[in-house]
Amino acid sequence: SAVISQKPSRDICQRGTSLTIQCQVDSQVTMMFWYRQQPGQSLTLIATANQGSEATYESGFVIDKFPISRPNLTFSTLTVSNMSPEDSSIYLCSVEGVGGATDTQYFGPGTRLTVL
Amino acid sequence: GENVEQHPSTLSVQEGDSAVIKCTYSDSASNYFPWYKQELGKRPQLIIDIRSNVGEKKDQRIAVTLNKTAKHFSLHITETQPEDSAVYFCAASIGYIPTFGRGTSLIVHP
Repeated sequence: SAVISQKPSRDICQRGTSLTIQCQVDSQVTMMFWYRQQPGQSLTLIATANQGSEATYESGFVIDKFPISRPNLTFSTLTVSNMSPEDSSIYLCSVEGVGGATDTQYFGPGTRLTVL
Repeated sequence: GENVEQHPSTLSVQEGDSAVIKCTYSDSASNYFPWYKQELGKRPQLIIDIRSNVGEKKDQRIAVTLNKTAKHFSLHITETQPEDSAVYFCAASIGYIPTFGRGTSLIVHP
């Protein structure tokens, strides 16, 4: 599996501000994804980060609120914009295509966000 | 789209007992079924997976079975240990995006 890191690991933010989360992989991967996990809940896919083009968002998530970048095959960012307390959650990146293996997703350590 | 149901939501067992977690899926086109273990405060970790051309797969104390006709798959953990305590998520995948179940909190009492 790949080594996946996320920064920051946690943050406490004021409402109305924005936070950018970084995801770095130690090898090139074909797919990168961003998930949200609220306390005690399952994993909800926000979007697929496409290298060199706009991200593909799932129903209920929009680019203005969650802009995503993926400038190369090892790095992606997720911005949570104009935050409200409802955005408090854990945000996880995941990758697919490690070592040529399709389908299998590996997760980063997550970013715990608290919005006051 | 795909819908994955997972049961039970909580499972409490004594150390040494077996634990079984069951999932059903709705789309017969799903062809990849991973299981993840998530310890408190940690990331989900892939523990075992199975593809639609296989009926059963084992890895030490963990096994997964798949019944394509009935569209259900199960995780079996034998000789449970306290370190098996965690939340387990099943998923069903068509292509590259999995749909996750709601999770099962497994508690293993020493």
